[in-house]
Amino acid sequence: AQSVAQPEDQVKVAEGNPLTVKCTYSVSGNPYLFWYVQYPNRGLQFLLKYITGDNLVKGSYGFEAEFNKSQTSFHLKKPSALVSDSALYFCAVREGSGGSYIPTFGRGTSLIVHP
Amino acid sequence: DAGVIQSPRHEVTEMGQEVTLRCKPISGHNSLFWYRQTMMRGLELLIYFNNNVPIDDSGMPEDRFSAKMPNASFSTLKIQPSEPRDSAVYFCASSYRVWGSYSYNEQFFGPGTRLTVL
Repeated sequence: AQSVAQPEDQVKVAEGNPLTVKCTYSVSGNPYLFWYVQYPNRGLQFLLKYITGDNLVKGSYGFEAEFNKSQTSFHLKKPSALVSDSALYFCAVREGSGGSYIPTFGRGTSLIVHP
Repeated sequence: DAGVIQSPRHEVTEMGQEVTLRCKPISGHNSLFWYRQTMMRGLELLIYFNNNVPIDDSGMPEDRFSAKMPNASFSTLKIQPSEPRDSAVYFCASSYRVWGSYSYNEQFFGPGTRLTVL
């Protein structure tokens, strides 16, 4: 079975400060991990993914995420937050190596960046 | 490409009426997903098609819900009869799954249909 947890319903940061949105996962084998962003009244939009290789993954809009196998985490980060980054962020996991093609999504974390 | 297209964008109906939501996936994609999003339950997978065939429909709430994919470029999600608790935003997403390998492609989501059942 696969599962993902986003322990924070909401994260608030000031513009210009670094931001972190947390995600932990559980799979039987190797994970494929994804981050998506949802702006108001829009569908989810892909940001980045980890499949294999370098633990630090870079994605769209200056976001990056760090895969930590020992802590089973895949936290989303950005060095300097923008007000326009305010949105709902979803972490998703699926088991690689022939596992289910259907990803499991977290509950989402609302990121609020204030001026 | 125009991305995943969903229609209508908004639907308001009365309890007991039939509702049909439509989705056109990205051309060339062979996997299609229907999701439902609510504040209470978050994002729920309803059904997954691959090559137009339903692979996993375990998320379909009950017999009032049905989904079809008659060809690679069109899918419908039907609710009959609709109930107020069906009010939600319904998303369609598509991706390209490579068979015979560990496919890891991301999903592309449509803009959603906001359904309100009175």
